[in-house]
Amino acid sequence: AQSVTQLGSHVSVSEGALVLLRCNYSSSVPPYLFWYVQYPNQGLQLLLKYTSAATLVKGINDFEAEFKKSETSFHLTKPSAHMSDAAEYFCAVSEGPGNTGKLIFGQGTTLQVKP
Amino acid sequence: EAQVTQNPRYLITVTGKKLTVTCSQNMNHEYMSWYRQDPGLGLRQIYYSMNVEVTDKGDVPEGYKVSRKEKRNFPLILESPSPNQTSLYFCASQLGGQRDTQYFGPGTRLTVL
Repeated sequence: AQSVTQLGSHVSVSEGALVLLRCNYSSSVPPYLFWYVQYPNQGLQLLLKYTSAATLVKGINDFEAEFKKSETSFHLTKPSAHMSDAAEYFCAVSEGPGNTGKLIFGQGTTLQVKP
Repeated sequence: EAQVTQNPRYLITVTGKKLTVTCSQNMNHEYMSWYRQDPGLGLRQIYYSMNVEVTDKGDVPEGYKVSRKEKRNFPLILESPSPNQTSLYFCASQLGGQRDTQYFGPGTRLTVL
């Protein structure tokens, strides 16, 4: 069975500092991995996804993530945090083989950005 | 504008009173899903549909029903709501493949008293 673990339910950084949100996955088949962001009182918005092409994936708002098969990780980074990045972030893996339309989500990480 | 819409956005009800949360997408997507979001648990799939008249259970289907009579609509039905169904609900749609992006609605916050 596939699973996702996000290390750290809360991460706090200063404005301008590096953002690093950790995600590890477990999958018996080649995974398709996603990072979503949820701003207060809104739905989930896709930041980026890995679909077995390049291992370094670039997304919106200068976020990027690197797929590391040997470490079963897909950590999310951003070089310089902005106040507007404060939100909850979810890592997810698409269930397979076969498509059930299900994303298996991690528990979420709340990012706080301090001025 | 391509989007997934849900109604209502907020709902307070009482135990046992049947309710329906509507979901509609305008992207001609094959797949649609319902998730519930609870603190510390992330999102969990309740039901999904691969096409019209084709639905199946997700991880937490107890106490819920769905139907897919039209491609664009996927309502979630709680026939006899209970307090443990108090949660934030999201509808999502997806074109068809595992690598395709899921697009989420704005959410419905349900409180069952």
